[in-house]
Amino acid sequence: GQNIDQPTEMTATEGAIVQINCTYQTSGFNGLFWYQQHAGEAPTFLSYNVLDGLEEKGRFSSFLSRSKGYSYLLLKELQMKDSASYLCAVYDYKLSFGAGTTVTVRA
Amino acid sequence: KAGVTQTPRYLIKTRGQQVTLSCSPISGHRSVSWYQQTPGQGLQFLFEYFSETQRNKGNFPGRFSGRQFSNSRSEMNVSTLELGDSALYLCASSLSGSDNEQFFGPGTRLTVL
Repeated sequence: GQNIDQPTEMTATEGAIVQINCTYQTSGFNGLFWYQQHAGEAPTFLSYNVLDGLEEKGRFSSFLSRSKGYSYLLLKELQMKDSASYLCAVYDYKLSFGAGTTVTVRA
Repeated sequence: KAGVTQTPRYLIKTRGQQVTLSCSPISGHRSVSWYQQTPGQGLQFLFEYFSETQRNKGNFPGRFSGRQFSNSRSEMNVSTLELGDSALYLCASSLSGSDNEQFFGPGTRLTVL
C-alpha cells in the first residue's frame, strides 16, 4: 500500500520561508514529485527528485532522502501568489498523491 | 502550444447513468493519465494510456474504463454512476509517461444526483 503524509495547512508571512514536509511509506519507489495547485485550477509541476539530495529551481527547492522516506519542498521569499495547495506524489510506475498542504501567505 | 483540453467542463447525471469524458493531450504527448479528485480522498490515479495501450491502472472498480485513440486523444467512461462518483476528473498528458512532468487539463466537474 501507499502511505504519504504531509501537513494539512501552513501559514507564513510574505517574504518568509516555508518548508513543507512529506513522508512516505510505499511498496515501491522510483521518484517523488511536487505539484502546486491553486484553488479551482489544475495542478502544475514544480519538481521531480529521483536521487537523494537537494534540487534548486529559483525560489523553490526540493529535497529527497530515500533511506528515510522523506522529502521537503522549500519555498523562499514567499509571495502572495504562492498561496496554494502543494501536493507530494510518489512515482512507482503510477503516481500516488498525498492529501496536499494548503499554504496561506499573509501580508 | 495549446494545453490539455477536456470536455465537457461540467456534467450533471443521475445515479445509474453512464458518462464519457474526453481529453485531448498536448500535441506530441503520447501518455495520458486520468485522476479523480475529491475533497475527502484527494487526487487518485485512475489509469494511464500510452500509444493506445493501458499501461497502469489504479484501484477503482471496473465501472471505470478508458481508451486512447491513435491521435493520443483519450476518453474515460463511468458506467452505472453512483453518488460517490461526484468529483473533478483530471487528465494529464506527458511525452512518455507519468515519470515525466505531466501537464494537467482544467478537469471535468461531474455531479451525480
